[in-house]
Amino acid sequence: DARVTQTPRHKVTEMGQEVTMRCQPILGHNTVFWYRQTMMQGLELLAYFRNRAPLDDSGMPKDRFSAEMPDATLATLKIQPSEPRDSAVYFCASGLGPGTSGAEQFFGPGTRLTVL
Amino acid sequence: SQQGEEDPQALSIQEGENATMNCSYKTSINNLQWYRQNSGRGLVHLILIRSNEREKHSGRLRVTLDTSKKSSSLLITASRAADTASYFCATRPLTGGGNKLTFGTGTQLKVEL
Repeated sequence: DARVTQTPRHKVTEMGQEVTMRCQPILGHNTVFWYRQTMMQGLELLAYFRNRAPLDDSGMPKDRFSAEMPDATLATLKIQPSEPRDSAVYFCASGLGPGTSGAEQFFGPGTRLTVL
Repeated sequence: SQQGEEDPQALSIQEGENATMNCSYKTSINNLQWYRQNSGRGLVHLILIRSNEREKHSGRLRVTLDTSKKSSSLLITASRAADTASYFCATRPLTGGGNKLTFGTGTQLKVEL
């Protein structure tokens, strides 16, 4: 049963600490997306990779956020330093692309981040 | 920024009734998708409708698309308590953006026994 996995599922940290979230996309998927979901802003796209190359990270605060794909089976999202306003649920999704047939995105269970 | 706006924001119905949710968007699209999110979980893809399609069915789901009005609707027939979730529309742009999707604000559906 192929699915996207994310670790950790929950993270509580103090302001100023570094936070690293990890995602394992579905094997064979070549596109990876990072989203942030909050009550106020809804679901926002932070970064988008295809074949491990970043295509769009315009939604990501550059001064503190960074996203990478060290290899095809791992995507990371790092926040350094973290701030209380970063508290949210962070989702990773993967899919196939480009092309309409590969437009569906498969979401992981999310990482619930709380920054105190 | 959110391209899609769902209407209503919240909907409460009785089991067995039909639920209709609407989505409006702003720019030209390649396709529109509907996703479901159970509380505390990730989103799950339900159905995709292409810009040259007007209606699509999948089980108890029926989706319509009106590109002239830049709007779509999701109909869930004979609703069940298990359909309780949030429903999001997501649009893929006609040009540029690759497979990037822009999600709407969501409709919270509650189906009561």
